[in-house]
Amino acid sequence: QVQLVQSGAEVKKPGSSVKVSCKASGGTFNNYAISWVRQAPGQGLEWMGGIIPIFETPKYAQNFQGRVTITTDESTSTAYMELSSLRSEDTAIYYCARESKQTTVLTPIFDYWGQGTLVTVSS
Amino acid sequence: QSALTQPASVSGSPGQSITISCTGTSSDVGSDNLVSWYQQHPGKAPKLMIYEVTKRPSGVSNRFSGSKSGNTASLTISGLQAEDEADYYCCSSAGNHTSVFGGGTKLTVL
Repeated sequence: QVQLVQSGAEVKKPGSSVKVSCKASGGTFNNYAISWVRQAPGQGLEWMGGIIPIFETPKYAQNFQGRVTITTDESTSTAYMELSSLRSEDTAIYYCARESKQTTVLTPIFDYWGQGTLVTVSS
Repeated sequence: QSALTQPASVSGSPGQSITISCTGTSSDVGSDNLVSWYQQHPGKAPKLMIYEVTKRPSGVSNRFSGSKSGNTASLTISGLQAEDEADYYCCSSAGNHTSVFGGGTKLTVL
């Protein structure tokens, strides 16, 4: 049974950065795409970017280009999402999500989700 | 990448059927068959309900079905039940291996 466990809630100052982790268990790690999706309070879902660990080349949504970095550590089956230059509008729950089928490209099929990490940006 | 367009809310009575639309462009919804639908209950992570336009993951009720015509995808829920009350989001591939979500639709079961 695949499980994604994310790091705990964070409170950050405007202008700083946050790095959220997502540890996968219950299956192999390298061949399954992982995406990051965020949800601001009372708002909808927003795809931020994704990566297939074995290929190591992430893809990012235009809205986050230059501010987000997605990486993986295959030795610990962990994916990371770092968001920089934080502003109050970045206050949201950040989810990691994984596909269930091995793939060579990112797709919008997210079978498994982490529990979410609340990031609060406040001065 | 602009968010896909969904109605803000839909409602139906138990036993009825409802359809939620998801309108994009020829660069996303209309470009291939990579459209998924997610159900989200308050305080919970989203759950995959439909993928590749029409396919249901194991364990998802056959009351949920998907379709697509041109740049618009649709999710139909038949035999509405109280537990179907939730937010629903479509998601599509959007070129260059990226994805885009719809704005979400709140389903109320009357």
